[in-house]
Amino acid sequence: NAGVTQTPKFQVLKTGQSMTLQCAQDMNHNSMYWYRQDPGMGLRLIYYSASEGTTDKGEVPNGYNVSRLNKREFSLRLESAAPSQTSVYFCASSSSGGLTGELFFGEGSRLTVL
Amino acid sequence: QKEVEQDPGPLSVPEGAIVSLNCTYSNSAFQYFMWYRQYSRKGPELLMYTYSSGNKEDGRFTAQVDKSSKYISLFIRDSQPSDSATYLCAMSADTDKLIFGTGTRLQVFP
Repeated sequence: NAGVTQTPKFQVLKTGQSMTLQCAQDMNHNSMYWYRQDPGMGLRLIYYSASEGTTDKGEVPNGYNVSRLNKREFSLRLESAAPSQTSVYFCASSSSGGLTGELFFGEGSRLTVL
Repeated sequence: QKEVEQDPGPLSVPEGAIVSLNCTYSNSAFQYFMWYRQYSRKGPELLMYTYSSGNKEDGRFTAQVDKSSKYISLFIRDSQPSDSATYLCAMSADTDKLIFGTGTRLQVFP
């Protein structure tokens, strides 16, 4: 049982380059999330999708776009990467989000922007 | 002011000690409270979940919520080296969004 799978695990970009982080879950969950984790800042919500076909902004959406491709997949795109986007990115999924508290996280994608 | 405040630590304790981890929050609408554990270079995993006020116990772990003080705690009894990790509190109102604390790094030495 794979759970939540993120690709790539590591990426180095130059300022201005674009890239897409991919996320897939095999638990038939409705809700999916993208968080970033920075030292001293904790986990901050970038975007989330409560169901297939819907997306909403979180706490720090600027500079990012998302696509809920289908129920399984939720991608995060950086159109023009900036050094401030150097971070560890986590995708998560849940059957009912905050109401049960159980988010299942991937192992993270470590992004460095030079 | 952040919605959720958590002491980042690090907290270093000997094996067998009782550990107390805490978070304070400002949003009185929060009613779902969680503790996640995150090992180094891994994603967080849910450890404890509590709805509204009160205590919840699971083995060596006890979660407490005091909504009147806007304060939540996680106690770990008989701490083990395998408990060494970062512990993140999280909370939500009646929505799909969880707000996380910054995490407290715990090290339990033999």
